[in-house]
Amino acid sequence: GAGVSQSPSNKVTEKGKDVELRCDPISGHTALYWYRQRLGQGLEFLIYFQGNSAPDKSGLPSDRFSAERTGESVSTLTIQRTQQEDSAVYLCASSPGTSSTYEQYFGPGTRLTVT
Amino acid sequence: ILNVEQSPQSLHVQEGDSTNFTCSFPSSNFYALHWYRWETAKSPEALFVMTLNGDEKKKGRISATLNTKEGYSYLYIKGSQPEDSATYLCAFPSGSARQLTFGSGTQLTVLP
Repeated sequence: GAGVSQSPSNKVTEKGKDVELRCDPISGHTALYWYRQRLGQGLEFLIYFQGNSAPDKSGLPSDRFSAERTGESVSTLTIQRTQQEDSAVYLCASSPGTSSTYEQYFGPGTRLTVT
Repeated sequence: ILNVEQSPQSLHVQEGDSTNFTCSFPSSNFYALHWYRWETAKSPEALFVMTLNGDEKKKGRISATLNTKEGYSYLYIKGSQPEDSATYLCAFPSGSARQLTFGSGTQLTVLP
C-alpha cells in the first residue's frame, strides 16, 4: 500500500515569508508526528496528533510554528515569518496508534531552505 | 532529558568488510529500541524494533542485539556493500506522545 507522502519535496523561501508543508499519512493510521533535522543536528520531535485528541505541541520551537490535522487524514505544518534557523529537513511519520512498540513510518521529508 | 547516543559518528569501510555500530539509551522506562536506515532524499526505513533483553534480530546481512539492563544495542553489517551506504539511526520512544528520541546517527560509507 501507499506509504507516507510529503509535499513539496524541496522548498526555498525568503526570510520572513510563511511556508506550509503537507503530510499524507498511511490510511488508517491514527497517530501522526512531525520531526525536523537541522544541519549537523539529530532528528527532533515537533508535534504529535492522535485521533481527535488535542495535539501534543511540546516540541514546537516557537509560536511561529503551528500544525493542523483534519481527523485522521492530512496534516499541514505552517511556519510563519521564516528565519534562517528554520532551514531543515522536515519529516512526517504516521503510526497505527495501537502498537506497544510505537513503530513509526516516515515520509521522504521536505527540505526547507530559508535564504 | 533523555539521551540516545550513537558511535561512531561516521565510518568508512571497504566493500566486503564487516562493521558494527553502537547505540546507548536510558535503561529505565524501556518500551522498545528502533533502528532505522536513512538514505539522502529517501524515507527513513525501519530495520528492527527490539523489545526484549537479549533480543537478536537479523535481516539479510544486517543484525542487531539488545541489552536493556545496561542500555545498549549493537548493529552489525556483514560483508558491507556500497548500497549499504546510509545513515543508521537508533531511536527510543519516550515522552507523553511516545515520540522517538533519536541518536545523532552513524554515517556509513562503503567504498567499492
